Amino acid sequence: GAVVSQHPSWVICKSGTSVKIECRSLDFQATTMFWYRQFPKQSLMLMATSNEGSKATYEQGVEKDKFLINHASLTLSTLTVTSAHPEDSSFYICSARNPGTAVSYEQYFGPGTRLTVT
Amino acid sequence: EDKVVQSPLSLVVHEGDTVTLNCSYEVTNFRSLLWYKQEKKAPTFLFMLTSSGIEKKSGRLSSILDKKELFSILNITATQTGDSAVYLCAVRGGGSSNTGKLIFGQGTTLQVKP
Repeated sequence: GAVVSQHPSWVICKSGTSVKIECRSLDFQATTMFWYRQFPKQSLMLMATSNEGSKATYEQGVEKDKFLINHASLTLSTLTVTSAHPEDSSFYICSARNPGTAVSYEQYFGPGTRLTVT
Repeated sequence: EDKVVQSPLSLVVHEGDTVTLNCSYEVTNFRSLLWYKQEKKAPTFLFMLTSSGIEKKSGRLSSILDKKELFSILNITATQTGDSAVYLCAVRGGGSSNTGKLIFGQGTTLQVKP
């Protein structure tokens, strides 16, 4: 099956700094990638939809200036958490659609990035 | 507002038991319902259902969708400790551009005891 990687797998940063998380589709070209956030014992909440070469579409309540998304190529999307605060500590997961498959809307999930802001 | 509700939120069973997990939804322009299994990291895909009444099976797991009543069930027979995980239900709904956006339920945490 399709493989999606994320880097880093975990990161600890100080309050006020920015952190960049990368999401890569390793063996397919992903026209659309999704960014989710998952708090402990809660489900995945979609933050934004990222389309290659265009601006991301953010879900209601997600600050686009705080969570910067760049989808510069068909295999890479990045999420930058700017001026991070402890309440941004969470598990961030990306997923990617592979339009080349028979099930073109199936999403393949990355392994997630655990962000801790101290 | 689109929503997906799973029940129960948590479940503890013993090996060999059969479990049924529920997922109900209210989503504009329903397109498909997906089940995922999440252990420590990201969710892994189990099933995608689009048609009502057609059961999908994979080993001891099976799932069926009722589009009239707006729900799906996931069955696991002869449970094993390795089935312990969070099971997530997600629905792909409307939107003019149909980006494939998924709305997730809260998840059911299943614990299978030896």
